[in-house]
Amino acid sequence: QQQVKQSPQSLIVQKGGISIINCAYENTAFDYFPWYQQFPGKGPALLIAIRPDVSEKKEGRFTISFNKSAKQFSLHIMDSQPGDSATYFCAASSTGGGADGLTFGKGTHLIIQP
Amino acid sequence: DSGVTQTPKHLITATGQRVTLRCSPRSGDLSVYWYQQSLDQGLQFLIQYYNGEERAKGNILERFSAQQFPDLHSELNLSSLELGDSALYFCASSPGHASNEQFFGPGTRLTVL
Repeated sequence: QQQVKQSPQSLIVQKGGISIINCAYENTAFDYFPWYQQFPGKGPALLIAIRPDVSEKKEGRFTISFNKSAKQFSLHIMDSQPGDSATYFCAASSTGGGADGLTFGKGTHLIIQP
Repeated sequence: DSGVTQTPKHLITATGQRVTLRCSPRSGDLSVYWYQQSLDQGLQFLIQYYNGEERAKGNILERFSAQQFPDLHSELNLSSLELGDSALYFCASSPGHASNEQFFGPGTRLTVL
């Protein structure tokens, strides 16, 4: 059972454009939603994260939008740059009783064309 | 650089063998998580330790086990290896209580021949 569904699988965006990646979750116990960026041969790097008490969080060019009622959240990358080309993973976890492992989406391969 | 270290970087072994992967968490972090990344399964949570004690289990096979030592480093033991165990194995650490921020190491690439 895939508890976090991520789309699209791959995405091509022109330099300077907005990249948008979407995720949907099923488990209502999830209360922490991070996004990770992974370059080939490297470990995932934490980009930005949100909790369900806010609907949006912005850090630099990266913004998470969160819709609790729809159980969906998305990553927006503004002014996308070739250096943003990587695989992006959404994830979710619950903190009840202590931190648990992350449940990851399948990933989105993002290519920013110069 | 996340501050999490993993050794070895690459490991090549044969079916039926046993290997040990090692992880040192970021300074001050009490929680260690192990993940497996493969093309067909994606990134999957295996197991979590907090300050030496097992905290949570994910999709970890019975052939796999882990432990966290008093100095907080952790080891993941994989035994009776099968071809399908070939994957990237990541360790992540977090401060622990009430903090979900997990910082990943560079990973160990395991190839089972």
